[in-house]
Amino acid sequence: AQRVTQPEKLLSVFKGAPVELKCNYSYSGSPELFWYVQYSRQRLQLLLRHISRESIKGFTADLNKGETSFHLKKPFAQEEDSAMYYCALSGRNDYKLSFGAGTTVTVRA
Amino acid sequence: ETGVTQTPRHLVMGMTNKKSLKCEQHLGHNAMYWYKQSAKKPLELMFVYSLEERVENNSVPSRFSPECPNSSHLFLHLHTLQPEDSALYLCASSQGTGEAYGYTFGSGTRLTVV
Repeated sequence: AQRVTQPEKLLSVFKGAPVELKCNYSYSGSPELFWYVQYSRQRLQLLLRHISRESIKGFTADLNKGETSFHLKKPFAQEEDSAMYYCALSGRNDYKLSFGAGTTVTVRA
Repeated sequence: ETGVTQTPRHLVMGMTNKKSLKCEQHLGHNAMYWYKQSAKKPLELMFVYSLEERVENNSVPSRFSPECPNSSHLFLHLHTLQPEDSALYLCASSQGTGEAYGYTFGSGTRLTVV
């Protein structure tokens, strides 16, 4: 079974402060991890995926297999980062994507 | 329009009605999905179609009936729904197995059952 846990439902930070969204997963095989974001009144969209090791909009996420975590980080939060963030997991060669419950981020001026 | 398009955007239906949700993608993807997004609950996978064949049904009640006539279109037929079925229904597509590129989501259909 695969499971994704996002322990924080709400996260509030000041503009310019660092932000970290926690994600832990449970999966017996080789996982593919993703972060999705949903801005207000917009569709859910892919933010980044672990295999590409990319930085999108200043966000990075490192897969830690020892801790089974895939936390999302940004050193300096911006107001436009306010959104709902979902961590998601699929198995390699498995197109089923399981989502965490999501974390609502509010960046205050 | 490129991407994943869902219609209608909003739907209000009575418990005895029959309605259908439509999803269309023009991305050349060969897998399509229905997800349910309820308040305060994680996104729930309902159905998975790959190359127009249903490959997964996560124990969804029979009052939800999917149809995938071709790789570009996906429907969700609804009948005798319950008020607890009110939710945002999201359609998504992907390139196929070995999902390394993520899903493309539609904007969803906001369903209210009265």
